[in-house]
Amino acid sequence: QQPVQSPQAVILREGEDAVINCSSSKALYSVHWYRQKHGEAPVFLMILLKGGEQKGHDKISASFNEKKQQSSLYLTASQLSYSGTYFCGTFKNTGFQKLVFGTGTRLLVSP
Amino acid sequence: SQTIHQWPATLVQPVGSPLSLECTVEGTSNPNLYWYRQAAGRGLQLLFYSVGIGQISSEVPQNLSASRPQDRQFILSSKKLLLSDSGFYLCAWSVGGAKNIQYFGAGTRLSVL
Repeated sequence: QQPVQSPQAVILREGEDAVINCSSSKALYSVHWYRQKHGEAPVFLMILLKGGEQKGHDKISASFNEKKQQSSLYLTASQLSYSGTYFCGTFKNTGFQKLVFGTGTRLLVSP
Repeated sequence: SQTIHQWPATLVQPVGSPLSLECTVEGTSNPNLYWYRQAAGRGLQLLFYSVGIGQISSEVPQNLSASRPQDRQFILSSKKLLLSDSGFYLCAWSVGGAKNIQYFGAGTRLSVL
């Protein structure tokens, strides 16, 4: 089952904040977050493994709810470099081999 | 450090022609290897993955195939391309395990005309 992301797209002005959500109907083992800039390959941002976990990376942080069915990515004081498409990912099988990516959220940060 | 090489960067092929995309990883042994396809403006679709030499798992039935002739080499092939094969093809590697973080190559943009 593919995780569903919301919103599908968001436009921000530099310095504004944004939240991207990733939801599943079933509990997830873990959640990966990746960012893909236009025309480039996705780049790994962070992984959350435990329910209730929160993790930060510069001004980008993420949380994983207690039931492990939703993760949120927080972008604080957005910069132009944050523009791109954000994907969450979760494992399709218990063998942790197949990562299924979410529907994606396009983020555009304007000056 | 580990690096992943993928080529060519862009490719324009006529319908019905064969395809061969190559991906190699340096600096690690026995990586998991993956091929993804991304249609324009869309998400990432897993096509094939491999956990070892000669071991290929297919996710989506189609006219594409994959092979892993060496530990750090992964090849995506087709005997006859279709228009619907156009897209951005990404190779990725991981060390496996419970985290299985994937690291992507630069991608090949394929246009089938």
